[in-house]
Amino acid sequence: DGGITQSPKYLFRKEGQNVTLSCEQNLNHDAMYWYRQDPGQGLRLIYYSQIVNDFQKGDIAEGYSVSREKKESFPLTVTSAQKNPTAFYLCASSWWRNTGELFFGEGSRLTVL
Amino acid sequence: QQQVKQSPQSLIVQKGGISIINCAYENTAFDYFPWYQQFPGKGPALLIAIRPDVSEKKEGRFTISFNKSAKQFSLHIMDSQPGDSATYFCAASGETSGSRLTFGEGTQLTVNP
Repeated sequence: DGGITQSPKYLFRKEGQNVTLSCEQNLNHDAMYWYRQDPGQGLRLIYYSQIVNDFQKGDIAEGYSVSREKKESFPLTVTSAQKNPTAFYLCASSWWRNTGELFFGEGSRLTVL
Repeated sequence: QQQVKQSPQSLIVQKGGISIINCAYENTAFDYFPWYQQFPGKGPALLIAIRPDVSEKKEGRFTISFNKSAKQFSLHIMDSQPGDSATYFCAASGETSGSRLTFGEGTQLTVNP
């Protein structure tokens, strides 16, 4: 089955620790995205990548880092510099064209203790 | 310029009623307007989408109405069912942004049986 796989589904972290969220897609999509979801704030774009070895900051990139070494993989690192990291993180992929059709994973919920 | 404003934040409807969610945008370069549906603990999924060359699009019980001059669009859910209970996001994108979407804040819909 084609789709997007995010892991882990739940993650707990102590303050000051970096954590990496995994996102893998087998849809052969060009573009991949990371969104952060907080109640009442919709989905806010963290980073996106149109092609391998290239990525751009979204609206709230501070405290996050990404890499795109393979077309199917786009991991997100939440660093200790992110002041309020507790959130629901969503990875998505799409063809890079004006269709707006993003395919989302099931999300990773990060809680900082 | 890039914002999409969505209302209401939450909505409670009786089974069989009509659910209406509204969105307004500012960027006149936006030309693709999708709606996403998200169930608890899952990623959003594309529900229905419209381009500004038409004023209305209907798919089953779901209808998008689009008012280009007012820069507003809305989602109507006819004969609302308890299974429609979910969070709904409007979004927008333009040709220059590819599939990079700007999302509204979301509406949590509850349909009571």
